[in-house]
Amino acid sequence: DTGVSQNPRHKITKRGQNVTFRCDPISEHNRLYWYRQTLGQGPEFLTYFQNEAQLEKSRLLSDRFSAERPKGSFSTLEIQRTEQGDSAMYLCASSLGGGDRQYFGAGTRLSVL
Amino acid sequence: RKEVEQDPGPFNVPEGATVAFNCTYSNSASQSFFWYRQDCRKEPKLLMSVYSSGNEDGRFTAQLNRASQYISLLIRDSKLSDSATYLCVVNERGMRFGAGTRLTVKP
Repeated sequence: DTGVSQNPRHKITKRGQNVTFRCDPISEHNRLYWYRQTLGQGPEFLTYFQNEAQLEKSRLLSDRFSAERPKGSFSTLEIQRTEQGDSAMYLCASSLGGGDRQYFGAGTRLSVL
Repeated sequence: RKEVEQDPGPFNVPEGATVAFNCTYSNSASQSFFWYRQDCRKEPKLLMSVYSSGNEDGRFTAQLNRASQYISLLIRDSKLSDSATYLCVVNERGMRFGAGTRLTVKP
């Protein structure tokens, strides 16, 4: 399967714990994006990378959130001290270039109890 | 004002109906535009790109009006399998999604 892969698919955690999600983009894609989606809403942009450089971060990305793409391939999104409001689907997407279509992974569903 | 706004929906239509979705965006510098489709509990998938001259893909027609900052999607002869949420997307360094319009096509 050469699509975008996200792990884990589901994560249940207790409030205050740290969680980390991983995204493996399509191998030749330079751009990698993170989004968050809650029920009844469209995906909300969080951040994106051009290779290993993080080029933009949304206001939604508080200090508790950090994303990395150390070698320009896979990316991780970490949430520290999780809150119930962090419960959502976290989607990763990749594209060849900036104006190109994005391919989405199946997402990681986070539930904070 | 939201960056991308869509018809709130939901739209419930019979099979064979024609349905139109509208979308407006706030950033006049936006360069690329898309319609994505999202099935329940699935990831969004590209339905079609939207070009300035308008474009058609089978039963689907997309239009872009840059002056009005308006995008539309027309679905003709709707099928049961068209039932989904349709997301208007504007690309400005990161994709900006509308909240989506839910379509249900009934027999």
